[in-house]
Order: sequence, then C-alpha cells, then structure tokens
Amino acid sequence: DAGVIQSPRHEVTEMGQEVTLRCKPISGHDYLFWYRQTMMRGLELLIYFNNNVPIDDSGMPEDRFSAKMPNASFSTLKIQPSEPRDSAVYFCASSLWLAKNIQYFGAGTRLSVL
Amino acid sequence: SQQGEEDPQALSIQEGENATMNCSYKTSINNLQWYRQNSGRGLVHLILIRSNEREKHSGRLRVTLDTSKKSSSLLITASRAADTASYFCATDAGGGSNYKLTFGKGTLLTVNP
Repeated sequence: DAGVIQSPRHEVTEMGQEVTLRCKPISGHDYLFWYRQTMMRGLELLIYFNNNVPIDDSGMPEDRFSAKMPNASFSTLKIQPSEPRDSAVYFCASSLWLAKNIQYFGAGTRLSVL
Repeated sequence: SQQGEEDPQALSIQEGENATMNCSYKTSINNLQWYRQNSGRGLVHLILIRSNEREKHSGRLRVTLDTSKKSSSLLITASRAADTASYFCATDAGGGSNYKLTFGKGTLLTVNP
C-alpha cells in the first residue's frame, strides 16, 4: 500500500491567497484526521471524518478553515484567506476503527504564508 | 490543553545507551500510544498499550503504563543513531470516544554515534 498521500509537500503563498491541501487516505480506512503542527502549539487536531462525514471540527481555528471529504479516497483542507500565522506543517492521517485507532500519517504539507 | 506531556523535552545519549522518555496525562484513557517522527516526516506508530495493561514490549521498545499516576514511559534499549527522532505519546479521550487522539509536544532524542 502507498500509505497516506498528501499534496503538495511544500506550499508558499502570499497573505490573502486561497490554499488547498489534499489528502488521499489508505484504502479501506474509515477515519480521516487533519492536524496542524507548529513549534509553539505542537500537534493539534483540526477536524476528523468517519465514513466521509465530519464528526468533530472543534479544532478548526476559524471560519477561514474548511475541510471536505467528498468520497472515501479524497479530502481537502482549505484556508481562505490565508494569513502568516497559518504557516505550519499540516498532516493528514487515516485509521481503521477495528485497529484501535492506530493512525497512519502522511508526509505532511509545509505551508508558508508570506 | 495538551492531554499528554512528555518529559524530558530533549535527550542526548551515546549509541548503545538506553533512552527513557516519560509521558503524563490528565484524564482517563482507553489506550496510550507512542509515535516517532523523523525530521521532516510524518508520525509513525510504534506501540499501543491498553489501560488494563501495565507493560508491553516490542523489539527494543518497552512501554509501561501506570493509570493510578496517569503516566507512561517508553524505554529504547541499545539505542542506535537511527533512533534519532522526536517521540510523542498520544492518548484517546476515553469512554466511547477513542477515535480522537491528543498528542504531547514530544521528546527530541538525539543518539550520537
């Protein structure tokens, strides 16, 4: 299996621009998680889906952030408009309920908002 | 707030030595997991210990869990330079909500050759 695939690996954009991060979970996994990692705050859970349905988005920092999962093999995290404080590494992870929530992480997207 | 807090924040040892990292958490859990993150990469699951277990082994890894003290430790024996990474503990919310993990800020382990 190819694992969790995220794109792009690096994104540099200017403040005010829209940013879309993409994730392809491991085939057959029924949970998908979006995290943000910074030095100051560590790894924060933004939102997670179960069977493509958003379950908990309490970690989404503001209305500028939105996430979708149109099907079992694809999810997006969108930031519009982006701000410099959104600069971080964004990870997507997937898991299988039967596997006691052991999560498999993608390589991450390093976002820099100038 | 962070559920898990690792200690120490950074640890530097020589190859061949043992490395011990600790994790404390605040609320009841179903499971506690340890993950490793190499620089510039995603997290990789290492080991899971259930709340009714006290100790678990996997290769050179040994994990202990003390639910009365709400703490866990990860021991890496006979460390290698390739073990250099950040190590995170992750706890679930307990009860029926064990799909959501909360990660600590990690221990940065450096193994010097």
